[in-house]
Amino acid sequence: EDKVVQSPLSLVVHEGDTVTLNCSYEVTNFRSLLWYKQEKKAPTFLFMLTSSGIEKKSGRLSSILDKKELFSILNITATQTGDSAIYLCAGSGGSNYKLTFGKGTLLTVNP
Amino acid sequence: GAVVSQHPSWVICKSGTSVKIECRSLDFQATTMFWYRQFPKQSLMLMATSNEGSKATYEQGVEKDKFLINHASLTLSTLTVTSAHPEDSSFYICSAREWGTRNYGYTFGSGTRLTVV
Repeated sequence: EDKVVQSPLSLVVHEGDTVTLNCSYEVTNFRSLLWYKQEKKAPTFLFMLTSSGIEKKSGRLSSILDKKELFSILNITATQTGDSAIYLCAGSGGSNYKLTFGKGTLLTVNP
Repeated sequence: GAVVSQHPSWVICKSGTSVKIECRSLDFQATTMFWYRQFPKQSLMLMATSNEGSKATYEQGVEKDKFLINHASLTLSTLTVTSAHPEDSSFYICSAREWGTRNYGYTFGSGTRLTVV
């Protein structure tokens, strides 16, 4: 059975701090690793990673995948209160490219 | 960008009734549609995967007679919760995947909050 494990499950930081969120995966016929941010409603897409060692960046967010260690991290620098959300990691695999989600990391950024 | 319209956004129904949730891909053909449910403070749990024109594949533990999925066209998939009970109250989200072209591959609907009373 496919499995995605995220850590930590929750994190409280102050504005300006840098955070690293972790994601390990075991996905049959792995295709890609995706990160999402979820606030009140449906997840919003952050990154899709398919190749090892290539960092993807979007503003203060960046992510990288290690396909040998079956691991990915999401970094957020200079955190802001608006970054407070649940960050979900998902592995895509199988013939249908179905997503298996981790439990998420609840990030709280205090002013 | 790709958009999936999901409705209703929220619904309250009486125990024993059925509720239908629709997801439409507005500007692309959704070859595959995924249906998830999410309980408070928990992650998204995949319920089923459907490919257009064929029967849905349900995840272990999901009752296919209770959660009816129809994906009759490339732009529309529906989830019907039959004989709903309070324990079916949850947040249901669809996600559509278009074969091949899009970089990020998956587009989520905005979700449906179902409350069964």
